[in-house]
Amino acid sequence: QITLKESGPTLVKPTQTLTLTCTFSGFSLSTSGVGVGWIRQPPGKALEWLAFIYWDDDKRYSPSLKSRLTITKDTSKNHVVLTMTNMDPVDTATYYCAHRHPTAGLGAFDIWGQGTVVTVSS
Amino acid sequence: QSALTQPASVSGSPGQSITISCTGTSSDVGGYKYVSWYQQHPGKAPKLMIYDVSNRPSGVSNRFSGSKSGNTASLTISGLQAEDEADYYCSSYTSSSTLVFGGGTKVTVL
Repeated sequence: QITLKESGPTLVKPTQTLTLTCTFSGFSLSTSGVGVGWIRQPPGKALEWLAFIYWDDDKRYSPSLKSRLTITKDTSKNHVVLTMTNMDPVDTATYYCAHRHPTAGLGAFDIWGQGTVVTVSS
Repeated sequence: QSALTQPASVSGSPGQSITISCTGTSSDVGGYKYVSWYQQHPGKAPKLMIYDVSNRPSGVSNRFSGSKSGNTASLTISGLQAEDEADYYCSSYTSSSTLVFGGGTKVTVL
């Protein structure tokens, strides 16, 4: 059974760096084809894709946020970490990590974490 | 990249069929078969309903179907049920090797 869970601070100040950890089980990020993505959703608004990392360490980022994002994986700990620099109140959102559907193309996330709420405020 | 365009809301009566559109460009929806659809109930994480334009994950009702024509993908829900009331989002792979979501559609069961 595949599960994912996001963790990190619930409150960050403007200009600070956000670090979120996705801890997963039921799969290995060293297996060919496996990938994990990060998606966020501001309150009352739409989903926004942020970043993605493949088993081979190939990484993809949202063009509009690329300069602020870094995604890494720790295969031994079953972790994927997302960092976002220079946080702003508009970055207030629920942040999700999700597992890539094993046989689908990029963007088909079949298992999602419960999400973690991040508020940016001074 | 711009978000894919979805209608803000769609409604239907129980038992009816409804269709939600998702319009992009030749650089995303029109250029690839990698369109997905998600259902999201309030306060819950999204659930994958359709992937690769028309494939249903295991466990998803066959009342949900997907298709694509040109730069527009569609999700059809047949035999509408009260439990289908939710927000629906499309997503597509893009020519930049990235992903883009739609603005979301609120489905109301009358």
